[in-house]
Amino acid sequence: EVQLVESGGRLVQPGGSLRLSCAASGFRFSNYYMGWVRRPPGKGLEWVANIKEDGSEKYYVDSVKGRFTISRDNAENSLFLQMNSLRDEDTAVYYCARGGGAADFWGQGTLVTVSS
Amino acid sequence: DAVMTQSPLSLPVTLGQPASISCRSSQGLVHTDGNIYLHWFQQRPGQSPRRLIYKISNRDSGVPDRFGGSGSGTDFTLKISRVEAEDVGFYYCMQATHWPHTFGQGTKLEIK
Repeated sequence: EVQLVESGGRLVQPGGSLRLSCAASGFRFSNYYMGWVRRPPGKGLEWVANIKEDGSEKYYVDSVKGRFTISRDNAENSLFLQMNSLRDEDTAVYYCARGGGAADFWGQGTLVTVSS
Repeated sequence: DAVMTQSPLSLPVTLGQPASISCRSSQGLVHTDGNIYLHWFQQRPGQSPRRLIYKISNRDSGVPDRFGGSGSGTDFTLKISRVEAEDVGFYYCMQATHWPHTFGQGTKLEIK
């Protein structure tokens, strides 16, 4: 059974940093693009970042470029999102999704709240 | 960026009746590989999104056959032949042909 389990979300002050993790199981992780998608409270979904199977290519939406870094550890079947210089507008539930744009499986999400 | 515009944004439906959601893209969605990466997702209250339809019209495993997708060019449609109570939630179209991948605003389906 495919499982994606996010962790690391919490309350953080503006300007702070946070690292999200996504533990994958039930499939060959190293064979798939992976991505992060977020849903701010009361708003729709926004694709944040993608990473190629071997980590050699990474893509970011403009609003997080230079502040967020997506990475992966294929030996540990894990996906990460390092978030720096956090802003109020980064408050959202963050989901990891398998397959990059295919998004055929999603985790349950982890809540990041940026507030003073 | 490809802007995805959904309508309606609110969709009250009587149980057993059909429902239809439209999605229009500001750009063509044909990828260089010839595919059109237009997908539909459902997000029930308190749950994570679930893909229902991929590449316009292909139903995902386990998705009831009352859900169907169609369209071409820049206009796409999700249809539910007979709405059931479990269909309540938000529906999103998403294009994954261009980066950044972009979603429609979401359509909230509720039971009348």
